Amino acid sequence: QLQLHESGPGLVKPSETLSLTCSVSGGSISSKNYYWGWIRQSPGKGLEWIGNILYSGSVYYNPSLKSRVTISADTSKNQFSLRLSSVTAADTAVYYCARRSDGSGWSYVNWGQGTLVTVSS
Amino acid sequence: DIQMTQSPSSVSASVGDRVTITCRASQDISSWLAWYQQKPGKAPDLLISAASSLQSGVPSRFSGSGSGTEFTLTISSLQVEDSATYYCLQVKSHPLTFGGGTKMEIK
Repeated sequence: QLQLHESGPGLVKPSETLSLTCSVSGGSISSKNYYWGWIRQSPGKGLEWIGNILYSGSVYYNPSLKSRVTISADTSKNQFSLRLSSVTAADTAVYYCARRSDGSGWSYVNWGQGTLVTVSS
Repeated sequence: DIQMTQSPSSVSASVGDRVTITCRASQDISSWLAWYQQKPGKAPDLLISAASSLQSGVPSRFSGSGSGTEFTLTISSLQVEDSATYYCLQVKSHPLTFGGGTKMEIK
């Protein structure tokens, strides 16, 4: 059974870079026909799509974050990562990693449990 | 970018009621729409993909319909455990966009 697990610092200082890793077990991030993505949710707010990376390496980002975000994959570790630079308090959120597949109409079926990242000095 | 407008933002209904949530897309997304249920402190759960395909394990009281620009999620007989926030997500094209959410309260 596929499992995703987010990890990284829970506290980041303003202007610094937020870095999170999603470790995947029960499946390979190199498998065809999957996107691996990041979604976030500010406290008390709705869901915001950050971006995703295709098995082939193609990456797509939310234009509102594009200048600050990088998503990459490490197939040797079966992990993918999120980096968000120049963070502010507005980037405080629960960050989820998730997988999309063509078998589910390209919806995100599998999600991590989420990790809260607080931006504060 | 495709904008998703979800309504209502909140709804209060009684056990056994039929409840409908709507998502409107700013352009044609065919059937590339998913519905999620999210309970406090939990990751979203996929209820419906491809606008109307019920995910395995999801109760049959949930159904989805629509295509093009207008979509609905219907709960045919509301249960206590359906108290949650519901989101639509368009997966037609990048950037993917979520609706603003509907908070479901049980009277």
